[in-house]
Amino acid sequence: QKEVEQDPGPLSVPEGAIVSLNCTYSNSAFQYFMWYRQYSRKGPELLMYTYSSGNKEDGRFTAQVDKSSKYISLFIRDSQPSDSATYLCAMSVASGSARQLTFGSGTQLTVLP
Amino acid sequence: DVKVTQSSRYLVKRTGEKVFLECVQDMDHENMFWYRQDPGLGLRLIYFSYDVKMKEKGDIPEGYSVSREKKERFSLILESASTNQTSMYLCASSPPIGEQFFGPGTRLTVL
Repeated sequence: QKEVEQDPGPLSVPEGAIVSLNCTYSNSAFQYFMWYRQYSRKGPELLMYTYSSGNKEDGRFTAQVDKSSKYISLFIRDSQPSDSATYLCAMSVASGSARQLTFGSGTQLTVLP
Repeated sequence: DVKVTQSSRYLVKRTGEKVFLECVQDMDHENMFWYRQDPGLGLRLIYFSYDVKMKEKGDIPEGYSVSREKKERFSLILESASTNQTSMYLCASSPPIGEQFFGPGTRLTVL
């Protein structure tokens, strides 16, 4: 069993829809949770970052962490064609001098105009 | 703006060749990382380095080695390339605590 599970999609939605992307994990020691966005032929870029449980909002994006269920979500409101990308969840246990990330496999999202 | 650059976007090599992938960052970051990305498997850590000449194995170091002679440069070496090393290779850098910044990736094909 992988430490981090993510539905690979592909997910296709019409413009303006609310998108929900999810990851589950098995390691209860994870404390830092991130969402990366990766456009085609580019490297991932950090979209959202949360520590421990709770919600964090940034514009149209909301990240949600439920540590009791080992479940994290990313919601995109009023989705736009420019949101079409692969979304990767990542999480870590801060240890030593380098915070190592464990990534999900990514969900490919297409927002249709 | 943080910039992480990788020496090649696309690379085609033959089985058995020695392959060098270079990564350079311009933000004076202590940490540098090499990942490979494969469909359905996500990003998997090959090696990381937290200081010059320091390195630690990640989850899949077999068949790879790394070199960090200068703070800004981190090289990934495939001593004898094999077809199962065909993949997208991503380099990243970060300060001791904080976000990892990724390069654009090198798509390596081993024939």
